[in-house]
Amino acid sequence: AQSVAQPEDQVNVAEGNPLTVKCTYSVSGNPYLFWYVQYPNRGLQFLLKYITGDNLVKGSYGFEAEFNKSQTSFHLKKPSALVSDSALYFCAVRGMNNNDMRFGAGTRLTVKP
Amino acid sequence: EAGVAQSPRYKIIEKRQSVAFWCNPISGHATLYWYQQILGQGPKLLIQFQNNGVVDDSQLPKDRFSAERLKGVDSTLKIQPAKLEDSAVYLCASSPGGSPSTDTQYFGPGTRLTVL
Repeated sequence: AQSVAQPEDQVNVAEGNPLTVKCTYSVSGNPYLFWYVQYPNRGLQFLLKYITGDNLVKGSYGFEAEFNKSQTSFHLKKPSALVSDSALYFCAVRGMNNNDMRFGAGTRLTVKP
Repeated sequence: EAGVAQSPRYKIIEKRQSVAFWCNPISGHATLYWYQQILGQGPKLLIQFQNNGVVDDSQLPKDRFSAERLKGVDSTLKIQPAKLEDSAVYLCASSPGGSPSTDTQYFGPGTRLTVL
């Protein structure tokens, strides 16, 4: 079955600096990869997804993610972090013809002014 | 466009009691999902509906959990009887239903269940 690992429980960055939230995956066949963000007492909000094509995917709020097949990674990035980006970030993976979307345990991003 | 609606937002019950959660998906979305999110973990799929049929309920503890989507629109998830380990946030999500693997899922705000 497919799985996702988010190796960092917590990421701290200063406002204005670039940020990276890491994600690696395991799946049979082609992966379909997703990033979601969760604010306190809110549901998950979709940021971006990789299905096929260009390895660099651009999403909401200035976020982007790079699909790297050889490293089985899908790291989330933003060139300049905002305090309002502080939240819990989840990476998720699905396989072809597979209903089960598997989520990582989440990474808490804190952006300090 | 209205998002996924869930109610109640919070529920506190004692163990062995019953509880039900309600979800109304985004209009026109054929696929509906229920997830369980335990504190400190990512969401785990409990059940997936395509219209009013069950596509995947392999991770639903069927001895105590049940779900239905009778008219292919809104859905209810029930726990009977509840255990302490059922304390979690229950998330409902919906997607257009065109492609199971690549569809984007849109999540509701969740129901936070506390079992005492």
